[in-house]
Amino acid sequence: EAQVTQNPRYLITVTGKKLTVTCSQNMNHEYMSWYRQDPGLGLRQIYYSMNVEVTDKGDVPEGYKVSRKEKRNFPLILESPSPNQTSLYFCASSLLRTYPEDTQYFGPGTRLTVL
Amino acid sequence: ILNVEQSPQSLHVQEGDSTNFTCSFPSSNFYALHWYRWETAKSPEALFVMTLNGDEKKKGRISATLNTKEGYSYLYIKGSQPEDSATYLCAFGNQFYFGTGTSLTVIP
Repeated sequence: EAQVTQNPRYLITVTGKKLTVTCSQNMNHEYMSWYRQDPGLGLRQIYYSMNVEVTDKGDVPEGYKVSRKEKRNFPLILESPSPNQTSLYFCASSLLRTYPEDTQYFGPGTRLTVL
Repeated sequence: ILNVEQSPQSLHVQEGDSTNFTCSFPSSNFYALHWYRWETAKSPEALFVMTLNGDEKKKGRISATLNTKEGYSYLYIKGSQPEDSATYLCAFGNQFYFGTGTSLTVIP
Protein backbone atom coordinates (compact mmCIF):
# COMPACT_ATOMS: atom_id res chain seq x y z
CA GLU A 1 0.00 0.00 0.00
CA ALA A 2 1.33 3.41 -1.01
CA GLN A 3 1.71 5.49 2.10
CA VAL A 4 3.61 7.96 4.22
CA THR A 5 4.36 6.73 7.72
CA GLN A 6 5.42 8.70 10.77
CA ASN A 7 6.68 7.58 14.15
CA PRO A 8 5.90 8.07 16.88
CA ARG A 9 2.26 9.09 16.56
CA TYR A 10 2.20 10.61 20.04
CA LEU A 11 5.08 11.89 22.12
CA ILE A 12 5.30 13.69 25.43
CA THR A 13 8.74 14.95 26.33
CA VAL A 14 10.48 17.57 28.44
CA THR A 15 12.23 20.76 27.49
CA GLY A 16 15.72 20.23 26.14
CA LYS A 17 15.56 16.50 25.51
CA LYS A 18 16.55 15.82 21.91
CA LEU A 19 14.04 13.91 19.83
CA THR A 20 13.57 12.66 16.30
CA VAL A 21 10.33 12.08 14.45
CA THR A 22 10.77 9.68 11.58
CA CYS A 23 9.03 9.91 8.23
CA SER A 24 9.13 7.34 5.48
CA GLN A 25 7.38 7.01 2.12
CA ASN A 26 7.23 4.00 -0.19
CA MET A 27 6.16 5.81 -3.37
CA ASN A 28 9.62 6.73 -4.66
CA HIS A 29 8.71 10.40 -4.28
CA GLU A 30 11.44 12.96 -4.70
CA TYR A 31 9.82 15.77 -2.74
CA MET A 32 9.22 15.53 1.00
CA SER A 33 8.22 18.14 3.55
CA TRP A 34 7.35 18.73 7.17
CA TYR A 35 4.48 20.87 8.46
CA ARG A 36 3.22 21.86 11.84
CA GLN A 37 -0.43 22.57 12.57
CA ASP A 38 -1.50 24.80 15.42
CA PRO A 39 -5.02 25.89 16.41
CA GLY A 40 -6.19 28.88 14.40
CA LEU A 41 -3.26 28.64 12.00
CA GLY A 42 -2.98 26.79 8.74
CA LEU A 43 -0.45 24.09 8.10
CA ARG A 44 2.92 25.82 8.12
CA GLN A 45 5.90 24.37 6.35
CA ILE A 46 9.00 23.73 8.47
CA TYR A 47 11.45 22.24 5.98
CA TYR A 48 11.29 20.61 2.61
CA SER A 49 13.53 18.48 0.43
CA MET A 50 13.51 18.39 -3.35
CA ASN A 51 15.68 15.26 -3.46
CA VAL A 52 18.36 13.32 -1.63
CA GLU A 53 20.86 15.59 0.13
CA VAL A 54 18.85 18.71 -0.87
CA THR A 55 16.94 20.41 1.94
CA ASP A 56 15.58 23.92 2.35
CA LYS A 57 13.91 26.00 5.03
CA GLY A 58 10.19 26.53 4.93
CA ASP A 59 8.32 29.28 6.74
CA VAL A 60 8.99 28.21 10.34
CA PRO A 61 12.36 26.38 10.48
CA GLU A 62 13.68 27.76 13.77
CA GLY A 63 14.41 25.02 16.30
CA TYR A 64 14.26 22.18 13.79
CA LYS A 65 16.71 20.21 11.68
CA VAL A 66 16.15 17.68 8.93
CA SER A 67 18.24 15.33 6.84
CA ARG A 68 17.63 13.47 3.59
CA LYS A 69 20.23 10.75 3.24
CA GLU A 70 17.90 8.36 1.43
CA LYS A 71 15.01 9.10 -0.87
CA ARG A 72 12.42 7.36 1.29
CA ASN A 73 13.28 8.89 4.69
CA PHE A 74 13.04 12.45 5.95
CA PRO A 75 13.45 12.65 9.74
CA LEU A 76 12.61 15.79 11.71
CA ILE A 77 15.02 16.53 14.55
CA LEU A 78 14.38 18.76 17.53
CA GLU A 79 17.78 19.26 19.17
CA SER A 80 16.45 21.09 22.22
CA PRO A 81 12.65 21.07 22.24
CA SER A 82 10.77 23.89 23.90
CA PRO A 83 7.10 24.18 24.91
CA ASN A 84 6.34 26.40 21.89
CA GLN A 85 7.09 23.39 19.70
CA THR A 86 4.10 21.57 21.14
CA SER A 87 2.08 20.93 18.00
CA LEU A 88 0.70 18.44 15.51
CA TYR A 89 3.32 17.56 12.92
CA PHE A 90 2.71 16.20 9.45
CA CYS A 91 5.15 14.75 6.98
CA ALA A 92 4.17 14.84 3.31
CA SER A 93 5.60 13.72 0.01
CA SER A 94 4.96 14.21 -3.69
CA LEU A 95 6.43 12.77 -6.85
CA LEU A 96 8.05 16.02 -7.92
CA ARG A 97 7.25 19.66 -7.38
CA THR A 98 7.76 20.48 -11.03
CA TYR A 99 4.16 20.17 -12.18
CA PRO A 100 1.14 22.04 -10.77
CA GLU A 101 -0.83 18.78 -10.67
CA ASP A 102 1.62 17.15 -8.27
CA THR A 103 -0.29 16.76 -5.06
CA GLN A 104 1.17 15.98 -1.66
CA TYR A 105 0.38 12.83 0.28
CA PHE A 106 0.33 13.22 4.03
CA GLY A 107 1.36 10.99 6.88
CA PRO A 108 -0.95 10.33 9.84
CA GLY A 109 0.55 13.05 12.01
CA THR A 110 2.61 13.14 15.20
CA ARG A 111 1.20 14.92 18.21
CA LEU A 112 4.08 16.31 20.23
CA THR A 113 3.81 17.79 23.70
CA VAL A 114 6.85 19.47 25.22
CA LEU A 115 6.55 20.09 28.96
CA ILE B 1 4.43 33.90 3.24
CA LEU B 2 1.35 34.35 1.07
CA ASN B 3 -2.08 35.12 2.49
CA VAL B 4 -4.57 32.31 1.88
CA GLU B 5 -7.92 32.77 3.55
CA GLN B 6 -10.79 30.37 3.98
CA SER B 7 -14.32 31.20 5.00
CA PRO B 8 -16.30 30.50 6.95
CA GLN B 9 -14.09 29.16 9.72
CA SER B 10 -16.77 26.66 10.72
CA LEU B 11 -20.13 25.56 9.48
CA HIS B 12 -22.94 23.44 10.86
CA VAL B 13 -25.52 22.13 8.41
CA GLN B 14 -28.37 19.68 8.53
CA GLU B 15 -28.10 16.38 6.72
CA GLY B 16 -29.33 16.83 3.17
CA ASP B 17 -28.46 20.53 2.96
CA SER B 18 -26.12 21.74 0.28
CA THR B 19 -23.28 24.00 1.30
CA ASN B 20 -20.28 25.82 -0.04
CA PHE B 21 -17.19 27.56 1.23
CA THR B 22 -14.47 29.76 -0.12
CA CYS B 23 -10.71 29.84 -0.48
CA SER B 24 -9.20 33.24 -1.36
CA PHE B 25 -5.64 33.66 -2.60
CA PRO B 26 -3.44 36.24 -4.35
CA SER B 27 -4.62 36.71 -7.93
CA SER B 28 -1.14 37.25 -9.36
CA ASN B 29 1.31 34.50 -10.41
CA PHE B 30 -1.16 31.67 -10.08
CA TYR B 31 0.36 28.18 -10.07
CA ALA B 32 -2.15 25.73 -8.61
CA LEU B 33 -4.82 25.44 -5.95
CA HIS B 34 -5.27 22.20 -4.03
CA TRP B 35 -8.26 21.15 -1.93
CA TYR B 36 -7.86 18.66 0.89
CA ARG B 37 -10.29 16.96 3.22
CA TRP B 38 -9.05 16.36 6.75
CA GLU B 39 -10.93 14.14 9.14
CA THR B 40 -10.02 14.19 12.81
CA ALA B 41 -7.19 11.77 13.68
CA LYS B 42 -6.52 11.06 10.01
CA SER B 43 -4.20 12.42 7.32
CA PRO B 44 -5.32 15.25 5.05
CA GLU B 45 -6.57 13.63 1.85
CA ALA B 46 -6.33 15.25 -1.58
CA LEU B 47 -9.67 16.13 -3.19
CA PHE B 48 -8.89 18.31 -6.19
CA VAL B 49 -6.06 20.08 -7.96
CA MET B 50 -7.17 23.20 -9.82
CA THR B 51 -4.79 24.67 -12.35
CA LEU B 52 -6.71 26.67 -14.98
CA ASN B 53 -9.02 29.65 -14.64
CA GLY B 54 -12.58 28.42 -14.97
CA ASP B 55 -11.69 24.86 -13.92
CA GLU B 56 -14.54 22.86 -12.49
CA LYS B 57 -13.82 19.53 -10.84
CA LYS B 58 -16.30 17.04 -9.42
CA LYS B 59 -16.06 13.94 -7.27
CA GLY B 60 -19.40 12.47 -6.31
CA ARG B 61 -21.37 15.12 -4.39
CA ILE B 62 -18.36 17.42 -4.01
CA SER B 63 -17.30 19.89 -6.66
CA ALA B 64 -14.95 22.84 -6.91
CA THR B 65 -14.56 25.86 -9.13
CA LEU B 66 -11.64 28.20 -9.73
CA ASN B 67 -11.39 31.89 -10.58
CA THR B 68 -7.73 32.86 -10.85
CA LYS B 69 -8.42 36.40 -12.06
CA GLU B 70 -10.25 37.35 -8.89
CA GLY B 71 -8.36 34.94 -6.65
CA TYR B 72 -10.91 32.52 -5.25
CA SER B 73 -12.06 28.92 -5.38
CA TYR B 74 -15.37 27.52 -4.17
CA LEU B 75 -15.97 24.06 -2.78
CA TYR B 76 -19.55 22.80 -2.99
CA ILE B 77 -21.11 19.83 -1.24
CA LYS B 78 -24.50 18.76 -2.48
CA GLY B 79 -26.83 16.94 -0.09
CA SER B 80 -24.43 16.89 2.85
CA GLN B 81 -24.09 13.65 4.78
CA PRO B 82 -22.68 13.09 8.29
CA GLU B 83 -19.63 11.42 6.75
CA ASP B 84 -18.81 14.73 5.04
CA SER B 85 -17.99 16.18 8.47
CA ALA B 86 -14.33 17.20 8.28
CA THR B 87 -12.06 20.18 7.91
CA TYR B 88 -11.59 21.27 4.31
CA LEU B 89 -8.23 22.83 3.54
CA CYS B 90 -7.02 24.67 0.50
CA ALA B 91 -3.35 25.09 -0.42
CA PHE B 92 -2.07 27.66 -2.88
CA GLY B 93 1.00 27.85 -5.05
CA ASN B 94 4.07 25.76 -5.65
CA GLN B 95 5.02 26.02 -1.99
CA PHE B 96 1.61 24.89 -0.72
CA TYR B 97 0.55 27.83 1.41
CA PHE B 98 -2.38 26.50 3.40
CA GLY B 99 -5.45 28.32 4.58
CA THR B 100 -6.74 27.74 8.12
CA GLY B 101 -9.53 25.50 6.88
CA THR B 102 -13.30 25.33 7.10
CA SER B 103 -14.62 22.92 9.70
CA LEU B 104 -17.86 21.34 8.50
CA THR B 105 -20.23 19.51 10.82
CA VAL B 106 -23.22 17.75 9.28
CA ILE B 107 -25.97 17.16 11.81
CA PRO B 108 -28.01 13.96 11.26
